[in-house]
This record gives sequence, structure tokens and C-alpha cells, in this order.
Amino acid sequence: RKEVEQDPGPFNVPEGATVAFNCTYSNSASQSFFWYRQDCRKEPKLLMSVYSSGNEDGRFTAQLNRASQYISLLIRDSKLSDSATYLCVVNNQAGTALIFGKGTTLSVSS
Amino acid sequence: GAVVSQHPSWVICKSGTSVKIECRSLDFQATTMFWYRQFPKQSLMLMATSNEGSKATYEQGVEKDKFLINHASLTLSTLTVTSAHPEDSSFYICSASRGSNQPQHFGDGTRLSIL
Repeated sequence: RKEVEQDPGPFNVPEGATVAFNCTYSNSASQSFFWYRQDCRKEPKLLMSVYSSGNEDGRFTAQLNRASQYISLLIRDSKLSDSATYLCVVNNQAGTALIFGKGTTLSVSS
Repeated sequence: GAVVSQHPSWVICKSGTSVKIECRSLDFQATTMFWYRQFPKQSLMLMATSNEGSKATYEQGVEKDKFLINHASLTLSTLTVTSAHPEDSSFYICSASRGSNQPQHFGDGTRLSIL
């Protein structure tokens, strides 16, 4: 099982749609979880941390299920500018580094 | 927000050249800096982790003599790709963190092309 697995997509949705991305991780000892966004040929940018109780930031909602080792990201009311690759990130066993998934590509069209 | 600057952003060199990439945290002290490589349509692959004042920890399969890392201060880390060859062509990105389990903030990345 890969350390961090994501559905690569692409997800093609119209503006205004709600879209959800899923991610599973293999290390049950992981303590830190993040979603990053990466635009084409650019560096990743932190979108949001993921907390055990779930958290929301505007149109973005992140959920964590430790029992299932599953993380999700929900985007409501998609905008054209949301088109990017979304990276699921967890820390490694030692807690010293972050492990990145391959990313899920989202394309929002008008 | 945290700002990490990486320089240069694009390098084109002949085979055999050594290339040095700088990574600076501009508004915070970075206990740890990380170096990644990303090939097209692939995920970020961690190359090494460097803590200020100590030797870098390299991931399996990454040659430490090929990729020299120096982390001389809490705001600067450098990666030198020695005697670069075409297969070293990639997108190299650094990141900096205030501490373990903290989010990493990325530099703009360096696109390295070896002819």
C-alpha cells in the first residue's frame, strides 16, 4: 500500500459544482495532515491543515477519519480559479518530514 | 504568511556543470529545510532534510555526494547538483518549516535543464 494515495482524476466540473477529493494514508501513527494546492509548473501552496474534528475555511471543508486512515477535501461552489492539483499530505513515521500524494487534478469550466 | 525565496528560478546548463540553488526563509527562522524533486506529472519526492548546523539526512536512493546540501543558518539552505547530467533535469523545490509536524512553506522552485 502506498504511503499516501489519491485518485489522480482529472475531475472536470462546471462552475458552481461541489466536488470532493479523497485520500488514504498507510501510517497509523501520522499526526499531521494537510491539503496543498499546486498550480501547473508552480510550487505547492498550503491550502489548509486538517484537524481531527474537521475544519472549514470558506468554501473548503476538510475531514479526517483516523480509524479508516482517510482524509477528504470538499470544495463548494467551484470557481474557475480552483482549477489546480490538490495534494494530500501526511507526516512520516518519525514525524520529521511530510509525505505527499501524487495529487488530484481539478478542472473547473464555465 | 511565511515567505520562502528560492533562486534561481530557471537554469539551463551544459552537462558536467555544477549548479547551486539557494533557499531562504525571509520572515521566519526555519529549524528544518527540505529539498524535493518533481518530475513531470509525478508527486514531490523528498530528497533530503536539513537541520541548521548539522549534516543533511538523505532519502534512500539519493546520492549525498551528488546533491550537496548546506544549511549554514536558520534562514538559508543551499543545494548543489554536482556534475549535472541530462537525467538530473527536473523541478527542484525547497521548503522550510518552523518545526516538526508544522506546515512546510515552499519556495518558487527551480527548473533545471541540463543539455
